[in-house]
Amino acid sequence: EAGVAQSPRYKIIEKRQSVAFWCNPISGHATLYWYQQILGQGPKLLIQFQNNGVVDDSQLPKDRFSAERLKGVDSTLKIQPAKLEDSAVYLCASRRGTSGSNEQFFGPGTRLTVL
Amino acid sequence: RKEVEQDPGPFNVPEGATVAFNCTYSNSASQSFFWYRQDCRKEPKLLMSVYSSGNEDGRFTAQLNRASQYISLLIRDSKLSDSATYLCVVNMYSGGGADGLTFGKGTHLIIQP
Repeated sequence: EAGVAQSPRYKIIEKRQSVAFWCNPISGHATLYWYQQILGQGPKLLIQFQNNGVVDDSQLPKDRFSAERLKGVDSTLKIQPAKLEDSAVYLCASRRGTSGSNEQFFGPGTRLTVL
Repeated sequence: RKEVEQDPGPFNVPEGATVAFNCTYSNSASQSFFWYRQDCRKEPKLLMSVYSSGNEDGRFTAQLNRASQYISLLIRDSKLSDSATYLCVVNMYSGGGADGLTFGKGTHLIIQP
């Protein structure tokens, strides 16, 4: 089965610009996550969706970050405006069910550099 | 105090040796525990789940000590291909279905020929 797809793979922008990332989870996976991984750190959860509803966005910097999953399949994560400290890899992950027992599968990530 | 703490290394280990990693977690309500492996510039991938009874998968053995809030990973007969960053991960299931993973910083392992 195809894995989690993300695009673009790389993005370079200047601070104060806007950027959007796209994720297509594994087919049939109800739960989708966005994580931020800063160099030298482990991934940090930004937001979790179950189908098209937000389950947890407690760590999402809502003044500049937004995410949506309108039809319960694909998702987009947006940063507006970007800051230097947003330079990181943005990982999308998906899981089959809506309970926690299934494995989360990660996409290859989008590497963002903010200049 | 960080939620999941692990020694970042690097651990430089000769091929064939046994190496052990540990991590500690701060939230006693954590319910699931994992080791993930992450290769350079790649996404994390699940290596194994961790249980109190201990579990083994080939050369890899993981152990959980809930009383001490301590998780370990043992790699026997290490191979060059084991070189990677090993991420200690915990999961606390909150109300409403929130179950995002909490990762440590990772331990960098280098197996030397």
